[in-house]
Amino acid sequence: AQKITQTQPGMFVQEKEAVTLDCTYDTSDQSYGLFWYKQPSSGEMIFLIYQGSYDEQNATEGRYSLNFQKARKSANLVISASQLGDSAMYFCAMREGRGYGGATNKLIFGTGTLLAVQP
Amino acid sequence: DADVTQTPRNRITKTGKRIMLECSQTKGHDRMYWYRQDPGLGLRLIYYSFDVKDINKGEISDGYSVSRQAQAKFSLSLESAIPNQTALYFCATSDKAGETQYFGPGTRLLVL
Repeated sequence: AQKITQTQPGMFVQEKEAVTLDCTYDTSDQSYGLFWYKQPSSGEMIFLIYQGSYDEQNATEGRYSLNFQKARKSANLVISASQLGDSAMYFCAMREGRGYGGATNKLIFGTGTLLAVQP
Repeated sequence: DADVTQTPRNRITKTGKRIMLECSQTKGHDRMYWYRQDPGLGLRLIYYSFDVKDINKGEISDGYSVSRQAQAKFSLSLESAIPNQTALYFCATSDKAGETQYFGPGTRLLVL
């Protein structure tokens, strides 16, 4: 069965430093997608970055990058130059099934990592 | 204006009451989802719909029902609310490619 594991319940990082949030996954599918979402204290879920299983390059979106290591089944989120506004809960998620056609596209979430950025 | 909206944003109800949570989207997406979030458990899928009148059970559908009468609207009902349905509920949408799901702001539900 598909599963997402986030082993860091919480982390501290100094402002302006980089931080890596860990995510490992388990799936027997050949085609899948990996996502990171940010949830600030206000509660909304904000999409950050996406990596497809066949993408050869690691995804990047501004200060966010996804360190995708397929053989190790890991999809770690790297936030460069942390800002106070980055303090939030971060969720790794995996799309079950193929992206196109009749796939379910259900997302399976990890339990999250709470990041606190210190001034 | 937000692409995915949820009403109400907060709701308190009593055990045994029937309540409905509404989700609307202006993204033109075919696929819509309902999730619930409990502390320490991440998000879990309740129901999903790929088109009008299409309904599929998710991981934790017991005690819930949904309705998709229009492409832009997907409503979640608790027929007889119980305290362990106290949670944060999210609606999400995606297009047919389904590469990214976009979430609404969430509804905080408290069942006393």
